[in-house]
Amino acid sequence: EDKVVQSPLSLVVHEGDTVTLNCSYEVTNFRSLLWYKQEKKAPTFLFMLTSSGIEKKSGRLSSILDKKELSSILNITATQTGDSAIYLCAGNSGGSNYKLTFGKGTLLTVNP
Amino acid sequence: SQTIHQWPATLVQPVGSPLSLECTVEGTSNPNLYWYRQAAGRGLQLLFYSVGIGQISSEVPQNLSASRPQDRQFILSSKKLLLSDSGFYLCAWKRNTEAFFGQGTRLTVV
Repeated sequence: EDKVVQSPLSLVVHEGDTVTLNCSYEVTNFRSLLWYKQEKKAPTFLFMLTSSGIEKKSGRLSSILDKKELSSILNITATQTGDSAIYLCAGNSGGSNYKLTFGKGTLLTVNP
Repeated sequence: SQTIHQWPATLVQPVGSPLSLECTVEGTSNPNLYWYRQAAGRGLQLLFYSVGIGQISSEVPQNLSASRPQDRQFILSSKKLLLSDSGFYLCAWKRNTEAFFGQGTRLTVV
């Protein structure tokens, strides 16, 4: 059975701090790892990672995949209150297994 | 471009009443479609997925069912809602490496 585990489950930081969110996965026929940010409604797409060791960057957010360790991290530098959200990680499988398996998410709270 | 529509956005239903949530996708054909439930603002639990018309796979035993009457339409149903069916329901479609979500339906069973 496919499994995705995120840590920590929740995190409280102050504005300006840097945070690292972790995701480990066990996914059959792994195709990609996806990161999403969810505020009040539907998750919004952040990154898709398919290759190990290549960092994806978008502003203050960056992410990298380690296929050997079956894990990924999401970094947020100089956090702002607007970064407060649930961050979801999902393992995407291909072949005859079409599932997209999510972790429980990390609830990030950034205090002013 | 592809878009995914999900409705209604919010729903309050009494226990024992039926449910029908609809999801449609535009701009793509033969999409893989998914229903997820999110309880208490946490991770997404996969309920059903479909790889084609009439093809439904259920991930967890439950009080809900799904149907795919048309290529780009995916419906989540229940004959009699339970209190435990309350939650945030998300429809998604996936292409090879990415997934896209509808805006979600917040269901409260009272």
